[in-house]
Amino acid sequence: DAGVIQSPRHEVTEMGQEVTLRCKPISGHNSLFWYRQTMMRGLELLIYFNNNVPIDDSGMPEDRFSAKMPNASFSTLKIQPSEPRDSAVYFCATWGRHLTDYGYTFGSGTRLTVV
Amino acid sequence: KNQVEQSPQSLIILEGKNCTLQCNYTVSPFSNLRWYKQDTGRGPVSLTIMTFSENTKSNGRYTATLDADTKQSSLHITASQLSDSASYICVVSAYSGAGSYQLTFGKGTKLSVIP
Repeated sequence: DAGVIQSPRHEVTEMGQEVTLRCKPISGHNSLFWYRQTMMRGLELLIYFNNNVPIDDSGMPEDRFSAKMPNASFSTLKIQPSEPRDSAVYFCATWGRHLTDYGYTFGSGTRLTVV
Repeated sequence: KNQVEQSPQSLIILEGKNCTLQCNYTVSPFSNLRWYKQDTGRGPVSLTIMTFSENTKSNGRYTATLDADTKQSSLHITASQLSDSASYICVVSAYSGAGSYQLTFGKGTKLSVIP
């Protein structure tokens, strides 16, 4: 079982460019979450979807951030235009049963660097 | 405001030694508390989950305790190994109504086990 799959693993982009992060959830997990992790603030919830519908996007920092979940097997987080302060590790997580546990399963993250 | 405070921020111990990580929380209404281990470059992985009525739970060399009265939890690692080097994140879940739960993350303790 591959778990939650995120791509790319690393992204370096110039300020002002559009960045798209991708997530493939675990099949059958109906809730999907996007988190951002920095040294200063730790893990912060950006947005979560339930059955492909955005439920709470109050953590999205500003209009430059947008997230979509067009179907149960794919989600994107887009930043346009990107800024240096967006540099962080972005995690996608889903909720449900995975292997022997029931709860959150995190992807390996996308490390974003905006220069 | 729900908060989770972890201490120490970082810790260095010799291989084979024991250590204890602390988590204090002000989260209400409390649902459960999880300890996650996050290896460098990876997403967090759940170690233990504890509900209100549970005082102690073990997972191999990891033992978590919970004191719901004082709102404190600890994670004790016995006979540490080099592979225990990671960040340990305390996450407290609060029931927010209508079948939804809100997670509050600590900023983590970075543990380094040295030979």
